[in-house]
Amino acid sequence: AQSVTQLDSQVPVFEEAPVELRCNYSSSVSVYLFWYVQYPNQGLQLLLKYLSGSTLVESINGFEAEFNKSQTSFHLRKPSVHISDTAEYFCAVTNTGTASKLTFGTGTRLQVTL
Amino acid sequence: DTEVTQTPKHLVMGMTNKKSLKCEQHMGHRAMYWYKQKAKKPPELMFVYSYEKLSINESVPSRFSPECPNSSLLNLHLHALQPEDSALYLCASSRVTGPQETQYFGPGTRLLVL
Repeated sequence: AQSVTQLDSQVPVFEEAPVELRCNYSSSVSVYLFWYVQYPNQGLQLLLKYLSGSTLVESINGFEAEFNKSQTSFHLRKPSVHISDTAEYFCAVTNTGTASKLTFGTGTRLQVTL
Repeated sequence: DTEVTQTPKHLVMGMTNKKSLKCEQHMGHRAMYWYKQKAKKPPELMFVYSYEKLSINESVPSRFSPECPNSSLLNLHLHALQPEDSALYLCASSRVTGPQETQYFGPGTRLLVL
């Protein structure tokens, strides 16, 4: 079985400040990790993913995440957030035993204010 | 083009009504999914279609009936729903099923059952 934990349900941050959204997973086999973002009243959009290779992955809008196998983590970071980053962020995991079944964390609401 | 479209955007129905949700993609994807998302919760997988055949049914009540008439189209037929079925219904697609495949989500249909 696999699971994902997002300990922070809400993260308030001022614009231009750095942010880290935490994600920890558990799995008995090799995993593939995803971060999805959901803006208000919209569907989910893939932000970035780790499949293999370099443990640091980046998105086109300045977010990055680092896969840490020893700490079973895949935290999402951005050095300087913008108001438009306000959204719900979901960490998700799959593994070779679960085919296409994405297991989502409970989500973290990033609230960026001026 | 990575767009998944869903219609209608909003739907209100009584418990005795029959309605259908529609999802369409033209990316040549052969895997399509239905998810249910309650407010402030992560999406929950309902069904997976692979090459137009139902491959995963997550023990969803029979009042939800999926249909995949062709490789671009996915329907969800609704009948005799309960108020607790009110939720955002998300459709997604991926190239094929598999743990490394990115799922592309539509904007969802917001369903209210009275």
